[in-house]
Amino acid sequence: QKEVEQDPGPLSVPEGAIVSLNCTYSNSAFQYFMWYRQYSRKGPELLMYTYSSGNKEDGRFTAQVDKSSKYISLFIRDSQPSDSATYLCASLSYNTDKLIFGTGTRLQVFP
Amino acid sequence: GAGVSQSPRYKVAKRGQDVALRCDPISGHVSLFWYQQALGQGPEFLTYFQNEAQLDKSGLPSDRFFAERPEGSVSTLKIQRTQQEDSAVYLCASSQLGAHEQFFGPGTRLTVL
Repeated sequence: QKEVEQDPGPLSVPEGAIVSLNCTYSNSAFQYFMWYRQYSRKGPELLMYTYSSGNKEDGRFTAQVDKSSKYISLFIRDSQPSDSATYLCASLSYNTDKLIFGTGTRLQVFP
Repeated sequence: GAGVSQSPRYKVAKRGQDVALRCDPISGHVSLFWYQQALGQGPEFLTYFQNEAQLDKSGLPSDRFFAERPEGSVSTLKIQRTQQEDSAVYLCASSQLGAHEQFFGPGTRLTVL
């Protein structure tokens, strides 16, 4: 079992929809939770990170962490075709510098 | 902008050849990370440097893989006697504040024939 699990999709939604992307994790030592966006043939781009439980909002993006259920979410409001990419969740424990990634969810937003 | 740069962007090698992949981190970033990303998968950690010190190399898949950062800036990932299973994208990331805020380069796509 991988430490971070993520549904690979693909997820296809119409423009303007609210998108929900999710991951689960198994390591209780994880303290930081990151979301990266990766366009085809590009490197991952850090969208946002959350420390411990709670919500964090940045524009159309909201990250949510529920440590009690070991569940990580990213919500995208008013999705745009330019949001079409692979979204990677990643986690980091307090005693290591090793990011653990999920497999990524491929999102397609059609006009 | 002065982001992380990697070279070459694409590399084709014959099985058994040695390859060297270069990473130029963001200026002033103390930490540097290498990852391997197979097709359809998330990046997997290979190794981590803080300045010139290699603090973690637990992700290197075999002793054919070697990384260095001699002056605490540019880093090179070397793969000796390449095998077909080494075909992947090799990503470099750097960080100033900590591992939770890593900035990635575009990657080097290695194809071993």
